[in-house]
Amino acid sequence: DVKVTQSSRYLVKRTGEKVFLECVQDMDHENMFWYRQDPGLGLRLIYFSYDVKMKEKGDIPEGYSVSREKKERFSLILESASTNQTSMYLCASSSQGLGTQYFGPGTRLLVL
Amino acid sequence: QQQVKQSPQSLIVQKGGISIINCAYENTAFDYFPWYQQFPGKGPALLIAIRPDVSEKKEGRFTISFNKSAKQFSLHIMDSQPGDSATYFCAASMKSGTYKYIFGTGTRLKVLA
Repeated sequence: DVKVTQSSRYLVKRTGEKVFLECVQDMDHENMFWYRQDPGLGLRLIYFSYDVKMKEKGDIPEGYSVSREKKERFSLILESASTNQTSMYLCASSSQGLGTQYFGPGTRLLVL
Repeated sequence: QQQVKQSPQSLIVQKGGISIINCAYENTAFDYFPWYQQFPGKGPALLIAIRPDVSEKKEGRFTISFNKSAKQFSLHIMDSQPGDSATYFCAASMKSGTYKYIFGTGTRLKVLA
């Protein structure tokens, strides 16, 4: 079974804090994605990576950065958390050419 | 052109009824259309997917109908069950190395017992 794990299920942070969200997949997938999910807005792509050390901006990259030093691990960084970044964050991975994205369980982040 | 429009936003169906969720797209370069199901507290999981070379795909009680000329596709859930209560997302993707998805805004389905 494909497994995508996320480091935390729930996080509470203060405004201005640096926040790290980590995602690990065990299927040797080339592609990894970070989304945020908000009611009525669906899933919006923040960043994605198609190879180690490679990254591309998604639709809403402002206020976020990412890091992919190893193939199985993709980190999302909030440099200075703000209240409008309170959301559910979902990580996904896929194999090149296959299409199917496999999602982790999500991290619900609350920024106070 | 990159949007996928999904409707309705929420849907209530009686047990045994048919649930229908619709999606529309503009970009004719899209060539892969998956549907994802998400239960509360879980990440989305692939339910069923279709490519534009077929007009219908059925897996158990779930069917995707695809209308290429209208640029629309829909999910039909036959004999809906309370266990189908979840949020459903349609998506579209172009044939490329990353298979980046454009998701619809989601439909919250509640099936009454």
